[in-house]
Amino acid sequence: KNEVEQSPQNLTAQEGEFITINCSYSVGISALHWLQQHPGGGIVSLFMLSSGKKKHGRLIATINIQEKHSSLHITASHPRDSAVYICAAHNDMRFGAGTRLTVKP
Amino acid sequence: DTGVSQDPRHKITKRGQNVTFRCDPISEHNRLYWYRQTLGQGPEFLTYFQNEAQLEKSRLLSDRFSAERPKGSFSTLEIQRTEQGDSAMYLCASSLGGYDGYTFGSGTRLTVV
Repeated sequence: KNEVEQSPQNLTAQEGEFITINCSYSVGISALHWLQQHPGGGIVSLFMLSSGKKKHGRLIATINIQEKHSSLHITASHPRDSAVYICAAHNDMRFGAGTRLTVKP
Repeated sequence: DTGVSQDPRHKITKRGQNVTFRCDPISEHNRLYWYRQTLGQGPEFLTYFQNEAQLEKSRLLSDRFSAERPKGSFSTLEIQRTEQGDSAMYLCASSLGGYDGYTFGSGTRLTVV
């Protein structure tokens, strides 16, 4: 059983929709990363957060350390948001399996 | 280019051969991480360095795998006697530590035939 779990595994949305990806972890952590991986393998660090909420453009990440849960939201989704989104525990960088997002025009 | 660079980008090798990959982190980053990613899976942690010290190794890192960071700058990951199951993308990342974010390299894709 992976100690970092994401849901859903796959997500298809229409352009413009509001998207939520969830991450739950069973180990205590000090912070959590959200990463984006496009086809071809490049990984980009989106957020690292230890409490509350962070926002960057159309992306919003929230975390509740006590509940061991984080969410990544994308507002006004666009086809270029199509990628795999991965959460990872900061302490030892255990990764979730990723959520494959496809945004259709 | 001030990002994390990995070399080579692609490596095809015959089973049983040894391979070595290199990672050059962002120069001021003292932490360096190696990961392995197979198709459809998230990255799996292999090992990480704080400067030249290897602080943690995953049990995934069998005795055929060895990593070094001799001067606390670039790192190498060597796989001896490669097996087909070693075929994967090998990713390197670096960070300043603390609560700073990570920067990933583009990875080395290994195919063992």
